[in-house]
Amino acid sequence: EAGVAQSPRYKIIEKRQSVAFWCNPISGHATLYWYQQILGQGPKLLIQFQNNGVVDDSQLPKDRFSAERLKGVDSTLKIQPAKLEDSAVYLCASSLGLRGAAQETQYFGPGTRLLVL
Amino acid sequence: DAKTTQPPSMDCAEGRAANLPCNHSTISGNEYVYWYRQIHSQGPQYIIHGLKNNETNEMASLIITEDRKSSTLILPHATLRDTAVYYCIVRRRYTGNQFYFGTGTSLTVIP
Repeated sequence: EAGVAQSPRYKIIEKRQSVAFWCNPISGHATLYWYQQILGQGPKLLIQFQNNGVVDDSQLPKDRFSAERLKGVDSTLKIQPAKLEDSAVYLCASSLGLRGAAQETQYFGPGTRLLVL
Repeated sequence: DAKTTQPPSMDCAEGRAANLPCNHSTISGNEYVYWYRQIHSQGPQYIIHGLKNNETNEMASLIITEDRKSSTLILPHATLRDTAVYYCIVRRRYTGNQFYFGTGTSLTVIP
């Protein structure tokens, strides 16, 4: 079974530029998550999708970050304009998303490492 | 979700059992304990989870105390490839499946 795919793996940009990350979840997984992981810290949830709808985006800095999952499969996360403090690893994860499930395992992709200069 | 406390770092000799503790003294009855690990430059990897009973799978064992205020992840025969950051996460049932990661325990397996 193929895992969660992310691209690019690395990206270097200058501050105030824009950048986009792509995620392809495990086939059949309805729930998709984007996390931000700053060096030395654990991942922090940015946004959660159920199919093509947003479940939680309370931690997403909406003045500069946006995310979409138009067809309920792939997702893109965009930063515009980027700041120095956005330097981090951006992780995508997916889970089955079964309605009423007490708990579900999340499966993570390898992440995209962003450096903002 | 209840907060977890883990030691920042631990060492373990190769071939020996690695016992990673986690304190979750404010856990409530409907909260699960999950363990993930993150090897350098990779995404977090699921290891095991439990609610009340001890659990075992091909990767590890999870021992949860009777009062559920703490747990221990056991890697029975640590190898160099087990060197990673291990995260203990407590998650409430039916809460949209979100995970809240702390800073974890950095385990180094020594040859």
